[in-house]
Amino acid sequence: QSAPTQPASVSGSPGQSITISCTGTSSDVGGYNYVSWYQHHPGKAPKLIIYDVSKRPSGVSNRFSASKSGNTASLTISGLQAEDEADYYCTSYTSSSTLVFGGGTKLTVL
Amino acid sequence: EVQLVESGGGLVKPGGSLRLSCAASGFTFSSYSMNWVRQAPGKGLEWVSSISSSSNYIYYADSVKGRFTISRDNAKNSLYLQMNSLRAEDTALYYCAREVVPDAAFDYWGQGTLVTVSS
Repeated sequence: QSAPTQPASVSGSPGQSITISCTGTSSDVGGYNYVSWYQHHPGKAPKLIIYDVSKRPSGVSNRFSASKSGNTASLTISGLQAEDEADYYCTSYTSSSTLVFGGGTKLTVL
Repeated sequence: EVQLVESGGGLVKPGGSLRLSCAASGFTFSSYSMNWVRQAPGKGLEWVSSISSSSNYIYYADSVKGRFTISRDNAKNSLYLQMNSLRAEDTALYYCAREVVPDAAFDYWGQGTLVTVSS
């Protein structure tokens, strides 16, 4: 099972919006609406910020939004803040009943 | 408060074995599927294995299939990962994570336990 492809890095200035893509196949991202996104600050446990493609868990800022089209899922962070600087990972359920993480994207807030 | 606390990590030689544990509290452990996820130094997150609430469904990543065994003891609120035939590439921080079914999302994570495979 190959990992969905994410850009290695993205950057943006405070207040701006950025989008991180997650491109898989019809056997994972494109085949199921079980795509999640995680925020991971080094040294801390990953945090669930999006599940079921576009749903936000309770307590997650509405600056985080997500969608999916075909085999590509996307995470958008609006109104960038310094605290958003972290690694972001998508994950998807697969046709093998397993889970697969994307390669991860490092977000830098300039 | 939901808590997941991993233990059992350490330094082991290639070919050796190690058993990780994850102690759960603050929720009805027997109602949730559980997972192990790892992160090698400088690398991204990698899903390792999952086990359903009653241990009826167990899945592994290809990279560990045949070498690792996931299990749980609902009476002890504990999750385990038996790791055999360890390789240098298994060196990683291992997290246990609670899964929201059927959403395949991990809503709570532990802080991780470090496994180092080196001679």
